[in-house]
Amino acid sequence: KQEVTQIPAALSVPEGENLVLNCSFTDSAIYNLQWFRQDPGKGLTSLLLIQSSQREQTSGRLNASLDKSSGRSTLYIAASQPGDSATYLCAVVGQAGTALIFGKGTTLSVSS
Amino acid sequence: GAVVSQHPSWVICKSGTSVKIECRSLDFQATTMFWYRQFPKQSLMLMATSNEGSKATYEQGVEKDKFLINHASLTLSTLTVTSAHPEDSSFYICSASRNLDEQFFGPGTRLTVL
Repeated sequence: KQEVTQIPAALSVPEGENLVLNCSFTDSAIYNLQWFRQDPGKGLTSLLLIQSSQREQTSGRLNASLDKSSGRSTLYIAASQPGDSATYLCAVVGQAGTALIFGKGTTLSVSS
Repeated sequence: GAVVSQHPSWVICKSGTSVKIECRSLDFQATTMFWYRQFPKQSLMLMATSNEGSKATYEQGVEKDKFLINHASLTLSTLTVTSAHPEDSSFYICSASRNLDEQFFGPGTRLTVL
């Protein structure tokens, strides 16, 4: 059974720092991996989608990498801002058309 | 494109009543929709997979007679929480798959059962 783990569970940084969020999954046979952002009491915002054949994806200050063989993904946030404060969720899809399996998330707090 | 809506965004009901939550894909057809539940400070847990025109597939531990799912069209799936109790209070989120690659999430429904 696929399990997704995110480390750390919480992170507090001052504004301007670069940071890395980690995600690991137990079964390397994934179809794709997605990173989401969730603000308190709100739904999910998709940040980046990485197909199993890809190594990384970039969007603005965000860069996500995927090492499928080792079951790891990282989300790199450059020059963090207070508006980046949220919970970041990592999720994997085992087979095309099946549901996402989520990690518990990393709650990020960026202070000004 | 790829917008998913949910209605209502929040609902408060009395214990024993039933509540229906709608999930709509507004600008695409979704052959598959997923229903997730999120308890406070927990991650999203899959409840069921809903395919248009067929019965939903429920995850282990999810009571299919309590959480009724109907996927009558390619743009609408509904989740009905029957005889709701306080322990059913949670954040319910649906997602819709436009193709096999990506899922798009609705904004969620906050259910509070008194």
